[in-house]
Amino acid sequence: QQQVKQSPQSLIVQKGGISIINCAYENTAFDYFPWYQQFPGKGPALLIAIRPDVSEKKEGRFTISFNKSAKQFSLHIMDSQPGDSATYFCAASSGNTGKLIFGQGTTLQVKP
Amino acid sequence: DAEITQSPRHKITETGRQVTLACHQTWNHNNMFWYRQDLGHGLRLIHYSYGVHDTNKGEVSDGYSVSRSNTEDLPLTLESAASSQTSVYFCASSESSGRANEQFFGPGTRLTVL
Repeated sequence: QQQVKQSPQSLIVQKGGISIINCAYENTAFDYFPWYQQFPGKGPALLIAIRPDVSEKKEGRFTISFNKSAKQFSLHIMDSQPGDSATYFCAASSGNTGKLIFGQGTTLQVKP
Repeated sequence: DAEITQSPRHKITETGRQVTLACHQTWNHNNMFWYRQDLGHGLRLIHYSYGVHDTNKGEVSDGYSVSRSNTEDLPLTLESAASSQTSVYFCASSESSGRANEQFFGPGTRLTVL
């Protein structure tokens, strides 16, 4: 049972455009929602995370939007750059357990 | 600089053989995790440990075991490798003081079971 569903599977965006990746979750006990970025041949790296007490968190060009009632959250990459080309994973966790449930991943390609 | 390393980076083995993947971290983190990454499934938790001599089963633990004899290492053992265990394996670590979910990942081990 996939508790975190991520879409789209792949995404192509022009340089300077906005990349949007969506995730939906089922478990209302989830209280931590991170996004990880993974480059080919590397391990995932924490990019940005949000807790359900806020609806938006911004760090540089990266923004998480969170909709608690819809049980959805999304990653927005503003002014997308070719260096942002990577695979992005959303995840969710309940409590300070470290037991992350990951989405299926989205491969982003930013064209110059 | 603190880091988390995995070895080997690539491994080819045969069905039925025992395989051990190493994970070593110098962050002095109490928490350590093993995940497998498969296309269409993202990362799935295999086993995790909150400290020395502590181990716990994750979502996909069948056929895998871990042991934690010190803070720095959490080796993952496949007792009898199966073709279904062909995957990329990632080790991760995190602090225990309220930041267990902020995990640092190693570079991964690509395992092929023939």
